[in-house]
Amino acid sequence: AQSVAQPEDQVNVAEGNPLTVKCTYSVSGNPYLFWYVQYPNRGLQFLLKYITGDNLVKGSYGFEAEFNKSQTSFHLKKPSALVSDSALYFCAVRDMGGATNKLIFGTGTLLAVQP
Amino acid sequence: NAGVTQTPKFQVLKTGQSMTLQCAQDMNHNSMYWYRQDPGMGLRLIYYSASEGTTDKGEVPNGYNVSRLNKREFSLRLESAAPSQTSVYFCASIVLGARGYTFGSGTRLTVV
Repeated sequence: AQSVAQPEDQVNVAEGNPLTVKCTYSVSGNPYLFWYVQYPNRGLQFLLKYITGDNLVKGSYGFEAEFNKSQTSFHLKKPSALVSDSALYFCAVRDMGGATNKLIFGTGTLLAVQP
Repeated sequence: NAGVTQTPKFQVLKTGQSMTLQCAQDMNHNSMYWYRQDPGMGLRLIYYSASEGTTDKGEVPNGYNVSRLNKREFSLRLESAAPSQTSVYFCASIVLGARGYTFGSGTRLTVV
C-alpha cells in the first residue's frame, strides 16, 4: 500500500536560515508526489509536485523539493526562511491503484520560523 | 472567483443530530473528495467521487454518506453525529492532469 511519512512533528528555524521539511514515501512503481501548505484556519494550498523528470522541483513561494529515488525521499527545502513561511506542511502521494487521483497524506509538519 | 466553496464554515451539533456539509466547485472538475483533518493524523479520505454519478468509500467512511448531486456539487451527510466526528472537514476537487487538488476552506465541526 502507498504511504508517506513525515518524521518530524515540528521544525524550528531562524529567519534567514535554510529550512528542510522531510518526507519519505513507500509506493509500488513510480511515485507522484506533492507538497501542500496550510496556513492557520485555511484550506490546503498546492506548493509543488513531482511526476517525472528533473529531481529538483521548484514550486510556489521560493520552495523546492528534491526527489531521491534511492532514499525514497521527497524533502521540501527553501534557501532562506521567512517568518511568513510558518505553517503546517503536508507531503502526499497519489494512490496509483486506479484512475481516481486519490491522494494519501502524511501527518503534517509544523514549521515555525523565529524572527 | 473560481474555486471550491464549502458551507457552513463552523457548526456545533449535539450527539445524534444530523447535518449535511455542502461543497461546490466551479472549475468543471471531474473528481471530488471529502477529507477530515485531525491533529497528528493528517488528512484522511472519507469518500470520493471520481466522476459525476459515482461515489466510493475512502479510508474512514463509517458514519458518513455522500451525494454527487451533479458535476459541481458533492455533499457529505452525517446521519447521527457522534463526538468522534468532531473534526475539520475539507472538500477538494481535481481534473485529470492538473497540478493538484483545489481545496475548500474547510468546515469546523464540533459534536457535543
